[in-house]
Amino acid sequence: EDKVVQSPLSLVVHEGDTVTLNCSYEVTNFRSLLWYKQEKKAPTFLFMLTSSGIEKKSGRLSSILDKKELSSILNITATQTGDSAIYLCAANTGNQFYFGTGTSLTVIP
Amino acid sequence: NAGVMQNPRHLVRRRGQEARLRCSPMKGHSHVYWYRQLPEEGLKFMVYLQKENIIDESGMPKERFSAEFPKEGPSILRIQQVVRGDSAAYFCASSPRQRQETQYFGPGTRLLVL
Repeated sequence: EDKVVQSPLSLVVHEGDTVTLNCSYEVTNFRSLLWYKQEKKAPTFLFMLTSSGIEKKSGRLSSILDKKELSSILNITATQTGDSAIYLCAANTGNQFYFGTGTSLTVIP
Repeated sequence: NAGVMQNPRHLVRRRGQEARLRCSPMKGHSHVYWYRQLPEEGLKFMVYLQKENIIDESGMPKERFSAEFPKEGPSILRIQQVVRGDSAAYFCASSPRQRQETQYFGPGTRLLVL
């Protein structure tokens, strides 16, 4: 059965900390891995990863894919309270996107 | 450029009634995906539609649920004879071409079945 697993399920950190969120996938016909940030509304797109070992960066966020380990990590440095959200990863297999249950991140001032 | 629109944003139904959820994709997008998000769970794929075609409905429950995306007008997710377990947030996402992997999500419809 195709599945995506994220860890940890939840995380509480202080402002300024660095966090690493994990995503592992087991899907057939893997095409890409996507990260989303979900606050109290729709998920917003962060990154799409297709190639192993190539880091993508956007400000304080970065992500990398390891196809050998079937996993990806999302790093957030110098966290801010505005980073508090649920972070979702999804594996794309062409027609379908399989989402993990998300990591709930809370950043305390 | 308006984003993905969904309506209603909140919908309350009694058991046995029908729920109709609408999704208007972004301008120029012809592919729509529907997802269900249950409390404390991730987004679950339901169905993938192109204009006038259902491409993949493997995530749809076999009974009571149907979806369409007509040539004109929004995509509709229809749930007949709703039950309490249907209470969830239903999101749609659109993409501009087949296999475009960056989806744009709507704000969701929160369905509550009493």
